[in-house]
Amino acid sequence: QVQLQESGPGLVKSSETLSLTCTVFGGSINTYYWSWFRQPPGKTLEWIGYIHYSESASYNPPLKSRVTMSLDTSKNQFSLRLRSVTAADTAVYYCARYSEYGGRHYMDVWGKGTTVTVSS
Amino acid sequence: EIVLTQSPATLSLSPGERATLSCWASQSVSSYLAWYQQKPGQAPRLLIYDASNRAPGIPARFSGSGSGTDFTLTISSLEPEDFAVYYCQQRGNWPETFGQGTKVEIK
Repeated sequence: QVQLQESGPGLVKSSETLSLTCTVFGGSINTYYWSWFRQPPGKTLEWIGYIHYSESASYNPPLKSRVTMSLDTSKNQFSLRLRSVTAADTAVYYCARYSEYGGRHYMDVWGKGTTVTVSS
Repeated sequence: EIVLTQSPATLSLSPGERATLSCWASQSVSSYLAWYQQKPGQAPRLLIYDASNRAPGIPARFSGSGSGTDFTLTISSLEPEDFAVYYCQQRGNWPETFGQGTKVEIK
């Protein structure tokens, strides 16, 4: 059974870069689409972007200028970098896997989430 | 960007009762809508995809309906483990978006 685990600093200073890694256990990263979401305290989920094993990527327009995603197939990991963070970037960050169901891809495996706080 | 509006914000019900949750899209998303359940401190769990199809392992008491702009998630008889927050998500138009959630709480 595939499991995902996020890792990275829980505290990032304002204006610096948030860097998170998601490790895929029990399956290969060389298939599927892999994604990042976030959820600010008490709020709904926000899609950040996804990356395909072919390394094509797509990012949410409000974040696109600050986001980069990458894959490391040798480590079965994918990563998120979010530059120039502010307090508005404080959230629980989730990595997830898209699988094809019916007409689209939906997220069927999620990491447990990691809390990132941006401090001034 | 498509805006999803969920109603009600909070639903107070007792175990065994029927829950009906609504999700409206600001424009048509065809049938490309999903429902997720989230419990405190946990990641979301996929319940329904393409508006009306249960994901693997999801109990039959969960059902979804709708197309275009109006969607419904129904829980036929609430079990204690069903009290949670439910989000709808659209994948009919890029970028994908989520509703604000409906909290189903114990009355």
